[in-house]
Amino acid sequence: EPEVTQTPSHQVTQMGQEVILRCVPISNHLYFYWYRQILGQKVEFLVSFYNNEISEKSEIFDDQFSVERPDGSNFTLKIRSTKLEDSAMYFCASLGWAAGDGYTFGSGTRLTVV
Amino acid sequence: GDSVTQMEGPVTLSEEAFLTINCTYTATGYPSLFWYVQYPGEGLQLLLKATKADDKGSNKGFEATYRKETTSFHLEKGSVQVSDSAVYFCALMIYNQGGKLIFGQGTELSVKP
Repeated sequence: EPEVTQTPSHQVTQMGQEVILRCVPISNHLYFYWYRQILGQKVEFLVSFYNNEISEKSEIFDDQFSVERPDGSNFTLKIRSTKLEDSAMYFCASLGWAAGDGYTFGSGTRLTVV
Repeated sequence: GDSVTQMEGPVTLSEEAFLTINCTYTATGYPSLFWYVQYPGEGLQLLLKATKADDKGSNKGFEATYRKETTSFHLEKGSVQVSDSAVYFCALMIYNQGGKLIFGQGTELSVKP
């Protein structure tokens, strides 16, 4: 069964440093997403990406965040200057064309900002 | 705005007990509804889904029926197992809004032998 792959599984970074979280979505999917889950809390939408541009973003997704699909396979989330409150599990997901299919999520990257 | 509300956890049951996790939603459009499960230390897995009113989603003994009149999508299982211990998330998606998923807060289920 096709998978969404995320790397690394765990990233520790110092406050103020830039981090890039990487995802390889399912190859024939068209929509790509990043979600965040702070420990013990609900899963929150960050951004959706379609046709090489952001289609929607939440208020969490401020100027410190950016996404890119540089080569047609990878889908990255960059945080320019990490803050302690960015510590969370970050999930990438992709969606095919069928409306009711539901997403395929990656296994997540746990980001710890110290 | 669109939202999902789940019953609070944690829910603790004995093995073979009946499970219900309540989920209600508010949506301006016509959402698809989902249950996702998150096992300890793992990511989110789609458990079941329903795309229109009166649809019943089912998988691994779990069921949920899309009830438009009560805006609900309650998760049920007749006989839970220890291996069902996980966090369960109800979610909605309105496809013409770019497919954004809106999650409930999650309900932790603990099944004791």
